Amino acid sequence: DQQVKQNSPSLSVQEGRISILNCDYTNSMFDYFLWYKKYPAEGPTFLISISSIKDKNEDGRFTVFLNKSAKHLSLHIVPSQPGDSAVYFCAASASLSGNTGKLIFGQGTTLQVKP
Amino acid sequence: DSGVTQTPKHLITATGQRVTLRCSPRSGDLSVYWYQQSLDQGLQFLIQYYNGEERAKGNILERFSAQQFPDLHSELNLSSLELGDSALYFCASSEDSQETQYFGPGTRLLVL
Repeated sequence: DQQVKQNSPSLSVQEGRISILNCDYTNSMFDYFLWYKKYPAEGPTFLISISSIKDKNEDGRFTVFLNKSAKHLSLHIVPSQPGDSAVYFCAASASLSGNTGKLIFGQGTTLQVKP
Repeated sequence: DSGVTQTPKHLITATGQRVTLRCSPRSGDLSVYWYQQSLDQGLQFLIQYYNGEERAKGNILERFSAQQFPDLHSELNLSSLELGDSALYFCASSEDSQETQYFGPGTRLLVL
């Protein structure tokens, strides 16, 4: 039972254009969502998060949108840069309502930004 | 650099053996989490400790155990190792359960 899904294993975009990474979840108890970026042989690096009381959060080139009714979130990167090429993981937790912050991860999307 | 340290970086061992993975959280973080990343399973939550006490358990095998010490560092013990235990093991830490988790660089375990 995969509670967090990233249906696109890979995405390729041109430098300077927008990258849109998508994530769907099934558990309505999730109230906190995060995006992590991961390079090979390194740990995941936190990018941006959003709580369920918001529908948008922005940090520089990164914006996360949350659609609770559709149980869908997306990460927008504008403009995309070659250094953004990595695996992006969506993660969710019920940490705000519960006493554990355990994260449920999607399978990841490999982003390639071409110069 | 996330501030979370893990040792060793690589570990090669044989089936049936026991290993210990170590994690030091970021300064001030009370929560420590362990995750396993294998090729076919993605990143899976194993267990969480908060200030020395077990807080949550995920898909952790009975052959695996963990603890968090008074200085807040944590150890993950893997015993009776099998080939399928080969994976990347990540530790993460946060101030408490409602805060963002920051990940260490991981320990790559290879069981031969």
